Amino acid sequence: DSGVTQTPKHLITATGQRVTLRCSPRSGDLSVYWYQQSLDQGLQFLIHYYNGEERAKGNILERFSAQQFPDLHSELNLSSLELGDSALYFCASSVTAGPSYEQYFGPGTRLTVT
Amino acid sequence: DQQVKQNSPSLSVQEGRISILNCDYTNSMFDYFLWYKKYPAEGPTFLISISSIKDKNEDGRFTVFLNKSAKHLSLHIVPSQPGDSAVYFCAALENFNKFYFGSGTKLNVKP
Repeated sequence: DSGVTQTPKHLITATGQRVTLRCSPRSGDLSVYWYQQSLDQGLQFLIHYYNGEERAKGNILERFSAQQFPDLHSELNLSSLELGDSALYFCASSVTAGPSYEQYFGPGTRLTVT
Repeated sequence: DQQVKQNSPSLSVQEGRISILNCDYTNSMFDYFLWYKKYPAEGPTFLISISSIKDKNEDGRFTVFLNKSAKHLSLHIVPSQPGDSAVYFCAALENFNKFYFGSGTKLNVKP
């Protein structure tokens, strides 16, 4: 158990809908990262938040947005969903201070868009 | 444009032998490189990392080698064990803020 929790585990929704994925980082971790893993692909970095502030953006679509709240949990909002958004979405947390820069990953949320 | 590539989708090794997983990258400005292991239905788990200013880091059975001139990273597992069977991802850190992951190599260690 990494200490990172993600809810829900599975989500099935229709095209055009909007969903919110939630992540609670490990106790004490200030950084939260979101990733998308499509079928047989690597993890695509979406966005990084540190202590409530956005620090870096990857290939995140404009239909997607995220935020990190004062209690450090984070939410990833996906709107106007398309079939191609079906994927595993991982959240990871870290202290972001080195020396190894390791991240701790949650179990993921599997999103299926029908 | 994939900045981190793992060109071998799979690798099969006999128990007790060495497993060598490879990774190539294109961005010479990466600060850190990391290896993660992933079992089905779980999130990736950190294994080992190396700073861009070093060329080797060892932790138990795991050693990571960095060849900056070739922009090449490798993970050696010695000796390999059946429990090492998993998907291995290499990752690179840019500006200490943004991670790039490879597509993964599935390692199968045969008993």
